[in-house]
Amino acid sequence: GQNIDQPTEMTATEGAIVQINCTYQTSGFNGLFWYQQHAGEAPTFLSYNVLDGLEEKGRFSSFLSRSKGYSYLLLKELQMKDSASYLCAVMDSGGYQKVTFGIGTKLQVIP
Amino acid sequence: ETGVTQSPTHLIKTRGQQVTLRCSSQSGHNTVSWYQQALGQGPQFIFQYYREEENGRGNFPPRFSGLQFPNYSSELNVNALELDDSALYLCASSYGTGGSGGYTFGSGTRLTVV
Repeated sequence: GQNIDQPTEMTATEGAIVQINCTYQTSGFNGLFWYQQHAGEAPTFLSYNVLDGLEEKGRFSSFLSRSKGYSYLLLKELQMKDSASYLCAVMDSGGYQKVTFGIGTKLQVIP
Repeated sequence: ETGVTQSPTHLIKTRGQQVTLRCSSQSGHNTVSWYQQALGQGPQFIFQYYREEENGRGNFPPRFSGLQFPNYSSELNVNALELDDSALYLCASSYGTGGSGGYTFGSGTRLTVV
């Protein structure tokens, strides 16, 4: 099975940079996702890492270290609209690719 | 391309009743996964359907069942509803595993059991 840990809440200032960490323990690994979820809405896909290293996509970057069971999502130039929950999710490597989600990190961006 | 659509958006049911939730997958996607998201929690995997067969199941009792149709749309059925079944039910579609494209989620069905 999978066990995923991420902070439950974070606060950051508009225009700043914030890093949301995620650690996981897994019996099989076939990639790690980050999703953004605004209150009352569906999660939206942000990134997918399957190899070690940093993936950059505009203001958002995601890093993976498979040996450490560790990932982070980096958000730059924070905007008020970035206030949301950020879900870390890990895909199994079994016969079917089950995705297990963490509890989510609720990020509040303040002026 | 059309996204994932779910119906209904909101539903209120009485304990012990049965409910059917529906999901139309995104065009070109052949895999549908269902998730239950309680308030303040991350989505919990219920099951996945691929080519009309259940392809994997999470830690949910047999009263949670599903179907996938030839057009890849899907249904989630829950029998003998319990109060703890109150949650947001999310359907996510993908082509195969999803991989670098991730899953596309629908807006969900908010189920309240009273």
